[in-house]
Amino acid sequence: EPEVTQTPSHQVTQMGQEVILRCVPISNHLYFYWYRQILGQKVEFLVSFYNNEISEKSEIFDDQFSVERPDGSNFTLKIRSTKLEDSAMYFCASGQGAAETQYFGPGTRLLVL
Amino acid sequence: AQSVTQPDIHITVSEGASLELRCNYSYGATPYLFWYVQSPGQGLQLLLKYFSGDTLVQGIKGFEAEFKRSQSSFNLRKPSVHWSDAAEYFCAVGAAPGRRALTFGSGTRLQVQP
Repeated sequence: EPEVTQTPSHQVTQMGQEVILRCVPISNHLYFYWYRQILGQKVEFLVSFYNNEISEKSEIFDDQFSVERPDGSNFTLKIRSTKLEDSAMYFCASGQGAAETQYFGPGTRLLVL
Repeated sequence: AQSVTQPDIHITVSEGASLELRCNYSYGATPYLFWYVQSPGQGLQLLLKYFSGDTLVQGIKGFEAEFKRSQSSFNLRKPSVHWSDAAEYFCAVGAAPGRRALTFGSGTRLQVQP
């Protein structure tokens, strides 16, 4: 069964450093998403991406964040200058249609020191 | 704005007992509703979804959920819980007009006693 994959599974970085989280969505999906889950809190939407552009973003997704689909298979989330409060589990998801089920990857646990 | 409430933060049941996890949503139109499960250290796995039609939906692992519009609820049920069902369960609502973001509840942690 096809699945969303994410790399790395864990990342530790110093405050102020840039990080790139990588995702390979399910191959025939057209909609891509990033969510995050701070430890002990609910899963929060960050951004959705369709047709090579951001279609929706939350208040969390400020200028420090960017997304890219650099080739036909990868979907990345970049945090330009990490803050302590960026420490969280970051989930990538993909879906076939706008109102279709979103399938989640296993997540990348980011720890900012 | 849409929202999801899962009133039970933590539930403990005995193995073999029945289970019901509550979910209430706030949304102006007919919602798209989902239940996801997250095992420790794992990602989110889709258990079941409701888009339209039959209000009782069947999912994986023997789970089912019933959409009740009058109560704005989408409770998850399982007739007989297994120890492997211990996990965190998230209800989510999605697809508000023009939006694709899922809004998640705060989750219910299920513990299963032998």
